[in-house]
Amino acid sequence: KAGVTQTPRYLIKTRGQQVTLSCSPISGHRSVSWYQQTPGQGLQFLFEYFSETQRNKGNFPGRFSGRQFSNSRSEMNVSTLELGDSALYLCASANRDLNSPLHFGNGTRLTVT
Amino acid sequence: GNSVTQMEGPVTLSEEAFLTINCTYTATGYPSLFWYVQYPGEGLQLLLKATKADDKGSNKGFEATYRKETTSFHLEKGSVQVSDSAVYFCALRGGKLIFGQGTTLQVKP
Repeated sequence: KAGVTQTPRYLIKTRGQQVTLSCSPISGHRSVSWYQQTPGQGLQFLFEYFSETQRNKGNFPGRFSGRQFSNSRSEMNVSTLELGDSALYLCASANRDLNSPLHFGNGTRLTVT
Repeated sequence: GNSVTQMEGPVTLSEEAFLTINCTYTATGYPSLFWYVQYPGEGLQLLLKATKADDKGSNKGFEATYRKETTSFHLEKGSVQVSDSAVYFCALRGGKLIFGQGTTLQVKP
């Protein structure tokens, strides 16, 4: 079974630009979550989607948004990029059970200059 | 709200030493508990899990027991290898997954 696939692996953007990250979950998984990982803040939850609906949301500004498509693939968008948005963005998928483990992709490394 | 606290690192051990990484949690209800491992340049890999009190999760020589009375889920391994060098995260899930701050393990030959 293929794992969680995130594209691209690396991105370099300039302040003020916007960016879209993509995530393909494990086949059959309908839940997709996004996390931001930085050395200072650790792993912070962004949001979770299940069957195209946002099920949970973390404490990030509205510049961070996401969506999920009918095939469970998900995208995350960050608008008006700031230097502090530089981070590793991790996507994870899970089955519908709220206590099941999350399976993570290798992440997208975003650098904002 | 729910939270996870891990012992601070880095932890430096010699090969074949015994490993313990402490993890305690605060939660309402009965969350599932997990340990994840992250190798350089990679995402998080699920190491082991436990879904109810007194469950013991195990994988690749690592073990952790879900202790409800002490709200703990300490990670142990009897004999570490250089290849175990990585960052280890304790996490709980009762809805969204909440992580501890991570503990860096360095194993020297």
